[in-house]
Amino acid sequence: NAGVTQTPKFRILKIGQSMTLQCTQDMNHNYMYWYRQDPGMGLKLIYYSVGAGITDKGEVPNGYNVSRSTTEDFPLRLELAAPSQTSVYFCASTLQGNPTEQYFGPGTRLTVT
Amino acid sequence: GQNIDQPTEMTATEGAIVQINCTYQTSGFNGLFWYQQHAGEAPTFLSYNVLDGLEEKGRFSSFLSRSKGYSYLLLKELQMKDSASYLCAFSRSDKLIFGTGTRLQVFP
Repeated sequence: NAGVTQTPKFRILKIGQSMTLQCTQDMNHNYMYWYRQDPGMGLKLIYYSVGAGITDKGEVPNGYNVSRSTTEDFPLRLELAAPSQTSVYFCASTLQGNPTEQYFGPGTRLTVT
Repeated sequence: GQNIDQPTEMTATEGAIVQINCTYQTSGFNGLFWYQQHAGEAPTFLSYNVLDGLEEKGRFSSFLSRSKGYSYLLLKELQMKDSASYLCAFSRSDKLIFGTGTRLQVFP
């Protein structure tokens, strides 16, 4: 099993550009999450999904969108990149929501200039 | 509201014991997690408490008091590789709410 994979590893965007961060898991997990982590800070939940076709907002959803068309994939979309979105983005998954260990992907380091 | 606090930084010596505290406030609670995160890497699961008491896992132990909203992570026989950030998180409604993390530096 590859676990949770994320692409790309690094990306530099100009202000106003758009991009999609990819996240895939091969553990047949129902629950998937997107977090951002700013330097020296903890993880903030952006969006999460409890199954295919179902998504919900976390603590910091503004400026982002998600979709969950399959169990395996949970892409995160940035429509109009802003410098405040410079961060490290982690995707995580777990078999059931509450309360079980979440497995994290390696992260995407995004810089918006 | 909900809140979770832990110290920002701690230092310790190789071979010593260190205790990292975490306090939380929440209206709903399903469990308390500890994760380890090395610089530039993803968080990895260390321990989980749902009932009051101590859970031991090798050199790592975690304690929970639900009535006090308090947990700690105990690391024994510290090694240089234990230098990392330790994230405390409580579980509520299918989500984890993370603290800002405690950066532990282990010196020889």
